[in-house]
Amino acid sequence: GNSVTQMEGPVTLSEEAFLTINCTYTATGYPSLFWYVQYPGEGLQLLLKATKADDKGSNKGFEATYRKETTSFHLEKGSVQVSDSAVYFCALTSQTGANNLFFGTGTRLTVIP
Amino acid sequence: ETGVTQTPRHLVMGMTNKKSLKCEQHLGHNAMYWYKQSAKKPLELMFVYNFKEQTENNSVPSRFSPECPNSSHLFLHLHTLQPEDSALYLCASSPQQGTEDYTFGSGTRLTVV
Repeated sequence: GNSVTQMEGPVTLSEEAFLTINCTYTATGYPSLFWYVQYPGEGLQLLLKATKADDKGSNKGFEATYRKETTSFHLEKGSVQVSDSAVYFCALTSQTGANNLFFGTGTRLTVIP
Repeated sequence: ETGVTQTPRHLVMGMTNKKSLKCEQHLGHNAMYWYKQSAKKPLELMFVYNFKEQTENNSVPSRFSPECPNSSHLFLHLHTLQPEDSALYLCASSPQQGTEDYTFGSGTRLTVV
C-alpha cells in the first residue's frame, strides 16, 4: 500500500539555523512526491514536488531530492526565518489506481528570533 | 484566498445536532475532496468526487454524508457526531481525479461537545 512516514515534531529552531525534516515513503508503482506547508489558520499549499527519481524540487529556499534507493524525500533549508514557522506535510501520489494524494502526519516547525 | 472557500471557519455542535460544511471553488476543477486533519495523524482522505460522481469513500461512518450538486460545490452533512470527530475538515479540488494540482481551502475547525 501507500504510506508516508515523517519525523514527529515539534521542531524548534533559532533563526538562520539549518532545517531538515525527514520523510520516507512506501508506494506501489513510481510515486510523485510533494511537500505541502500549512501556515497558521490556513489550508495546505504546495511547497515543492518531484516526479521521478533523482529530481530535486525547490522553492523559497527549501529543497528536497527524490531518493528512490532510500525511498526518501527529506526537506531541507539552509537558513530558516521566523516566517517559515508552519506545519510541513510530506505526501505522495502513487501513479496507480485512482492516484489520490496520501499525506504524512505533518511536522510543526517553530522558528524563534 | 486560494480559490477554494470553506464555510464556516469554526463550528461547535452538540452530539445530537445536524449541521453542514460547505466548500466552493470557481477554479474550473472537476474533482473535489474532503480530508480530515487530526492531531498526530496523517491527513485522512474521506471522500472524492470526480465530475459530480462519488468515486471514493474511505470507510467513513454514515454520520458523515457528502453531497456534490455540481462541480463547484461540495457539502459535508453531519449528524449525531461523536467527540472524536472533532478535527479540522479540509476541502480540496483538482482539475480532475488523478491530476496532481490540488488546491486546498482553509478548513472548518469542528468541535463536537
